[in-house]
Amino acid sequence: DAGVIQSPRHEVTEMGQEVTLRCKPISGHDYLFWYRQTMMRGLELLIYFNNNVPIDDSGMPEDRFSAKMPNASFSTLKIQPSEPRDSAVYFCASSPRRDENTFGSGTRLTVV
Amino acid sequence: EDKVVQSPLSLVVHEGDTVTLNCSYEVTNFRSLLWYKQEKKAPTFLFMLTSSGIEKKSGRLSSILDKKELFSILNITATQTGDSAVYLCAVEARAGGTSYGKLTFGQGTILTVHP
Repeated sequence: DAGVIQSPRHEVTEMGQEVTLRCKPISGHDYLFWYRQTMMRGLELLIYFNNNVPIDDSGMPEDRFSAKMPNASFSTLKIQPSEPRDSAVYFCASSPRRDENTFGSGTRLTVV
Repeated sequence: EDKVVQSPLSLVVHEGDTVTLNCSYEVTNFRSLLWYKQEKKAPTFLFMLTSSGIEKKSGRLSSILDKKELFSILNITATQTGDSAVYLCAVEARAGGTSYGKLTFGQGTILTVHP
């Protein structure tokens, strides 16, 4: 298995633009998580899905952020419009059960 | 608000030393505590602890939870340069049924092991 695959690896965009981050979880994993990591705030859970259904989105910072999981093998995290304070590394992770999240390599987002 | 505090924030040791990393928490409806190791990129899972006093071990790493005093420690014996990383502690708050609860992460401990 190739692990959790995220794209793009790096994204540089201008303030106000829409940004879409993509994630392919490990096949057979029922849970999918989106995290954000910054120096100031550390690692934060944004939202997670179970069997493609969003379960807890209380970590999503504001309405500019949205996440979807249209099927078991794909999820997106969208920021519209993007702002410089959204600059961070965004991780996707998947898991077959409560423990052992497997993380993707992350997307480093820079909003200028 | 749920809170997880790790100490020390950073630690520098020499190969062969033993280190103890601390994680204290204040969480409503505690469910589990998890330890992760983060090197250059993504965190990798180390342990999940749910019961007090039961040590989990993996090679030179071990961890234990104290639910009465609300803390956990992660021990690394005979440290090696490959142990250099950020060690993250996260606490899961209970949610309904068997679903995942909300995870709150500590700020991490940066461990540097010199040859």
